[in-house]
Amino acid sequence: NAGVTQTPKFQVLKTGQSMTLQCAQDMNHEYMSWYRQDPGMGLRLIHYSVGAGITDQGEVPNGYNVSRSTTEDFPLRLLSAAPSQTSVYFCASRVTRGTYEQYFGPGTRLTVT
Amino acid sequence: AQTVTQSQPEMSVQEAETVTLSCTYDTSESNYYLFWYKQPPSRQMILVIRQEAYKQQNATENRFSVNFQKAAKSFSLKISDSQLGDTAMYFCAFMKLDGATNKLIFGTGTLLAVQP
Repeated sequence: NAGVTQTPKFQVLKTGQSMTLQCAQDMNHEYMSWYRQDPGMGLRLIHYSVGAGITDQGEVPNGYNVSRSTTEDFPLRLLSAAPSQTSVYFCASRVTRGTYEQYFGPGTRLTVT
Repeated sequence: AQTVTQSQPEMSVQEAETVTLSCTYDTSESNYYLFWYKQPPSRQMILVIRQEAYKQQNATENRFSVNFQKAAKSFSLKISDSQLGDTAMYFCAFMKLDGATNKLIFGTGTLLAVQP
């Protein structure tokens, strides 16, 4: 099991550019989510999905899009990058019942200049 | 809306000693989970311990234990026999059990430094 994988690990964008952060899991988890981590603010939920074809917004969804066409993949799209989106991004997955333990990817450090 | 508060931005402890990290939360719900996650310098988020709200007994995992005070909405983490590898950011998190969504809400974290 690779667990939750994220690519890339680091990325630098210019303001206005778009890009997709990739996330994949091989544990057959129904629930997947994206968080951003900023100093002094903990992790904040951007978007989440409870299964293929179903997504919803979290606390800070503006400027981000998601889709879930398969159980395994949950990409996060930045439509027009802004310096305020400079952050560390984490993808996570879990089953929707039971222990509720979330498994996190290694994170992507994104810098927007 | 639920909130999680960690009032200690930074803490320091000597190796082999015991340290307690504080966490309080605000909710009107009765059915929820609480978690402590550890984030070492590698950035990887690691689950340390989990507590179900309906269980009165405090959870323990080896050197890690919690003091869960449901009425006071307090969920502190005690680390015994601190080791250098415990140096990390520690996040307290709350999950309301409301069906399939069950979103996880994080506190702002406590940076723990274990000194040799």
